[in-house]
Amino acid sequence: QVQLVESGGGVVQPGRSLRLSCAASRFTFTSFAMHWVRQAPGKGLEWVAVISYDGSKKNYADSVKGRFTISRDNSKNTLFLQMNSLRTEDTAIYYCARDSQGIPPNWFDPWGQGTLVTVSS
Amino acid sequence: DIVMTQSPDSLAVSLGERATINCKSSQSVLYSSNNKNYLAWYQQKPGQPPKLLIYWASTRESGVPDRFSGSGSGTDFTLTISNLQAEDVALYYCQQYYSTPPTFGHGTKVEIK
Repeated sequence: QVQLVESGGGVVQPGRSLRLSCAASRFTFTSFAMHWVRQAPGKGLEWVAVISYDGSKKNYADSVKGRFTISRDNSKNTLFLQMNSLRTEDTAIYYCARDSQGIPPNWFDPWGQGTLVTVSS
Repeated sequence: DIVMTQSPDSLAVSLGERATINCKSSQSVLYSSNNKNYLAWYQQKPGQPPKLLIYWASTRESGVPDRFSGSGSGTDFTLTISNLQAEDVALYYCQQYYSTPPTFGHGTKVEIK
């Protein structure tokens, strides 16, 4: 069964940085694009970023462009999200999700359990 | 960006009855070259991540009960839950993947009456 496990969340002050990881297993990681999607407490889903299967193409939501960087290490089946200059409005559960294809966008399946990022002074 | 608008915000349905959720996109998500609608539906239960139910607007994901069905084309779509079960209590989201950024509706909460 495909598995995605996020880590790296926590409490951080505004303006600081955090790096999230998503460990993938039980599927051919190098064949799929990968996304980060976030959900603020009690709110809906907001797409954050995507990276193509080989890491050559990346796209970001306007709300995080210039502050967040998505990357992947295909040798370790791991997806990353480097978050800099964090703001209180970045507080959310961050999910990694597999794209259904190698070139996005497509539907997301499956999703990880998520990791909570809280930006607060 | 394509804006996805869901209605209603919430609905309460009796066990065994039908729930209908609507989703409207601000522009067509029908790709003319392959005649496919680039729309998916997800279910999210409390404390859990979203789960894919339907893609291409009407194709049910493997393992999803057949009481879940999707319909519509262009800009107007519907998720129907027939014979509502207690385990269907959840939030439901539509998502377009016609263009980047992929965008979601704000969600519809389904409860038992």
